[in-house]
Amino acid sequence: DQQVKQNSPSLSVQEGRISILNCDYTNSMFDYFLWYKKYPAEGPTFLISISSIKDKNEDGRFTVFLNKSAKHLSLHIVPSQPGDSAVYFCAASRKTSYDKVIFGPGTSLSVIP
Amino acid sequence: NAGVTQTPKFRILKIGQSMTLQCTQDMNHNYMYWYRQDPGMGLKLIYYSVGAGITDKGEVPNGYNVSRSTTEDFPLRLELAAPSQTSVYFCASSYAPAGQGLLAETQYFGPGTRLLVL
Repeated sequence: DQQVKQNSPSLSVQEGRISILNCDYTNSMFDYFLWYKKYPAEGPTFLISISSIKDKNEDGRFTVFLNKSAKHLSLHIVPSQPGDSAVYFCAASRKTSYDKVIFGPGTSLSVIP
Repeated sequence: NAGVTQTPKFRILKIGQSMTLQCTQDMNHNYMYWYRQDPGMGLKLIYYSVGAGITDKGEVPNGYNVSRSTTEDFPLRLELAAPSQTSVYFCASSYAPAGQGLLAETQYFGPGTRLLVL
């Protein structure tokens, strides 16, 4: 039933290394994808997005890769910093259905100093 | 700017009680949303509004009601609380419709309300 899946509930990475968070989706109609970051006791905040017409989008230390044929996207954080420790939500939408932003369950990232 | 504020932060309700979760934004956003997040699950859309006086159902609207009398406020009402409504509730707002592929559609979230129904 879950249209957006994040199969790793948690991930631990050493400071300075690369963090790779994965996300899979089942609905081929999705054409826009977003990543949100959430600290404890706070609401999610927008991190980075990618349209289905692209396969990569980069913003500083954050890069999102999209593989449409595999219905898979990933978020790379390089280098990882302790302040990146948070829950990361992958989300997907159809641009024509703005009430249907579907969120994944999240992956908790711990960056170890 | 305060952004999106939600009250209360935490509440315990008995089955059958009612309550209103408050949400206010000061960014003059037309679009507002209510989500719930259950443990191990993603955020699910309960209701949304495209402007004052206009609301519509999301994915999981049963057991909830909303109103939008002003641009700033979007309260969520639980009429007869049930244990299945135990969750964390997030309110969000955006300048443009979310998920449209525009930066202006970035959703800004409040800090959440944790609700426990016993």
